[in-house]
Amino acid sequence: AQSVTQPDIHITVSEGASLELRCNYSYGATPYLFWYVQSPGQGLQLLLKYFSGDTLVQGIKGFEAEFKRSQSSFNLRKPSVHWSDAAEYFCAVGPNQAGTALIFGKGTTLSVSS
Amino acid sequence: GAVVSQHPSWVICKSGTSVKIECRSLDFQATTMFWYRQFPKQSLMLMATSNEGSKATYEQGVEKDKFLINHASLTLSTLTVTSAHPEDSSFYICSARDSVTVNTEAFFGQGTRLTVV
Repeated sequence: AQSVTQPDIHITVSEGASLELRCNYSYGATPYLFWYVQSPGQGLQLLLKYFSGDTLVQGIKGFEAEFKRSQSSFNLRKPSVHWSDAAEYFCAVGPNQAGTALIFGKGTTLSVSS
Repeated sequence: GAVVSQHPSWVICKSGTSVKIECRSLDFQATTMFWYRQFPKQSLMLMATSNEGSKATYEQGVEKDKFLINHASLTLSTLTVTSAHPEDSSFYICSARDSVTVNTEAFFGQGTRLTVV
């Protein structure tokens, strides 16, 4: 079955500390992987995506993620968290087909403490 | 960059009335759009896939007659919540991927907060 698992429901990180959000996927075909961020009451904004090539991808707002095929993982990282990064983060997987919806993980809520 | 516009961003309606939510792709064509429902502090639940010029495909457990979807053009899909009840109160989000360009992500509307009183 195709699925995305985000093991951490809620993470609290001190401002300025590093961050890693975990994402594992189960997908039968070549996975195309995404991380989205959602602020309260808002839609989803794409942070970064992986289609092929370099397995370390850079995104917006200083985020990066590394695709590890052997571990079926696509963890999101940021070296230094800012208070404005507090939000809900969703990992998603899908085919490279416009007519197919993405499969989302349950999300990880990030809180940033001062 | 590509933009998906969703309208309205919030709506309050009385029980028994119908509410229409619009989703537009502003600078790309989308033969397929997706409608999600999100409960508080939960992930997105795919409700249906909207297909331009044909019937929508609904996920299991989603009432077709309650959630009417119309995709009349390559840039517009609408979701109508018919005979709304308080349990239909939720956050609804639409999404679309460019039908022409490969290797694109899904773009999301800003969501619609529906409150049925």
